[in-house]
Amino acid sequence: GESVGLHLPTLSVQEGDNSIINCAYSNSASDYFIWYKQESGKGPQFIIDIRSNMDKRQGQRVTVLLNKTVKHLSLQIAATQPGDSAVYFCALRSPGQLTFGSGTQLTVLP
Amino acid sequence: DTEVTQTPKHLVMGMTNKKSLKCEQHMGHRAMYWYKQKAKKPPELMFVYSYEKLSINESVPSRFSPECPNSSLLNLHLHALQPEDSALYLCASSPGQGLVEQYFGPGTRLTVT
Repeated sequence: GESVGLHLPTLSVQEGDNSIINCAYSNSASDYFIWYKQESGKGPQFIIDIRSNMDKRQGQRVTVLLNKTVKHLSLQIAATQPGDSAVYFCALRSPGQLTFGSGTQLTVLP
Repeated sequence: DTEVTQTPKHLVMGMTNKKSLKCEQHMGHRAMYWYKQKAKKPPELMFVYSYEKLSINESVPSRFSPECPNSSLLNLHLHALQPEDSALYLCASSPGQGLVEQYFGPGTRLTVT
């Protein structure tokens, strides 16, 4: 089966610094890689995705990098804000569904 | 309206009870999903409905019974649950099945006693 893991379960960053959240995966057949954010008491919220034929995609304050050679995905958040505190999940798309990784808790320190 | 609503927010039930979780969306999405999420774990897919028909059942025990009465509503009927079924149950929708941007509701926190 698929395996989606994250390098660190928790990450603390100072407000204003950049955050980098990493994800390793094993299924090379996935055509899309996605990041979701889950704040306390809420359901996951889509942040950004990247197709498997790309290696970088930028959004508003976020950048996703995909390295298919080492099967690694990362989410970079620029100028991290208190509202970025949440659990971040990477996810892979397989036919008809998403498989979520184990999550990283991001804490933004004042 | 880009919201998925779920009721109830919290539910406590005994192992012999029958209860139902409800999910509603008015975005015109044709795919709806049930996920189960244990504390500090990722969401795990349970069921997918596409155009009101069950498309995926991830080998979920029969004590969980999904129902899609129409394109806006998704129910999860619960019967004879076990304490290990206690979890956050999330509903999601997307315009079509398999699209990467799914819209999640806030979930129902279920406790089985």
